[in-house]
Amino acid sequence: QTVVTQEPSFSVSPGGTVTLTCGLSSGSVSTGYYPSWYQQTPGQAPRTLIYNTDTRSSGVPDRFSGSILGNKAALTITGAQEDDESDYYCALYMGRGISVFGGGTKLTVL
Amino acid sequence: EVELVESGGGLVQPGGSLRLSCAVSGFTFSSYWMIWVRQAPGKGLEWVANIRQGGSEKHYVDSVKGRFTISRDNAKNSLYLQMNSLRAEDSAVYYCARGLRLCTGDNCNGFWFDPWGQGTLVTVSS
Repeated sequence: QTVVTQEPSFSVSPGGTVTLTCGLSSGSVSTGYYPSWYQQTPGQAPRTLIYNTDTRSSGVPDRFSGSILGNKAALTITGAQEDDESDYYCALYMGRGISVFGGGTKLTVL
Repeated sequence: EVELVESGGGLVQPGGSLRLSCAVSGFTFSSYWMIWVRQAPGKGLEWVANIRQGGSEKHYVDSVKGRFTISRDNAKNSLYLQMNSLRAEDSAVYYCARGLRLCTGDNCNGFWFDPWGQGTLVTVSS
């Protein structure tokens, strides 16, 4: 059973930079997993931030960027704002139509 | 404007059934994969099932195989999730989303989900 791993929580100061990661319990994440990232605030539906590793979804500010760092997918927020305080989820495509979400990272901006 | 509106959630006893619907507007429904994702209270997102444009291909997470059936009616721009033999652990907000893929000709790969509906709450409890 493949598990997609994310940091449970992270903290960043306003204006700071933070990198959240998305890994695999076994193996490395590559572009072939087509990583995508979603932002969710309490009580709201998820919002798509990044797809295909590093492509920003329409309307997403350029302070959000995606990449592969080492053996993980990464979401970097540059110049964090208080509005960025949310839960962040990555999803990896496992092939044969199946996708798996990570457990999510709760980001605090303070 | 693209809109996805889920309905059909509610309280059901363990072992019971429920049918969720997702009404879509603002895009050509029949041209896209569609997905159900759920989120148990206080927990993360879980991919549940998806269905190809014409309905010929469907995939499920192992925990719902044999109990849940995803379907669609392209004439009605609607997506469905028939849930049978419901368990307490199926309690969650269920979201529908459009599935997007990278395609070169007929060769498609990857998946991401955008946009999302607002969700419908399913509670399985006696």
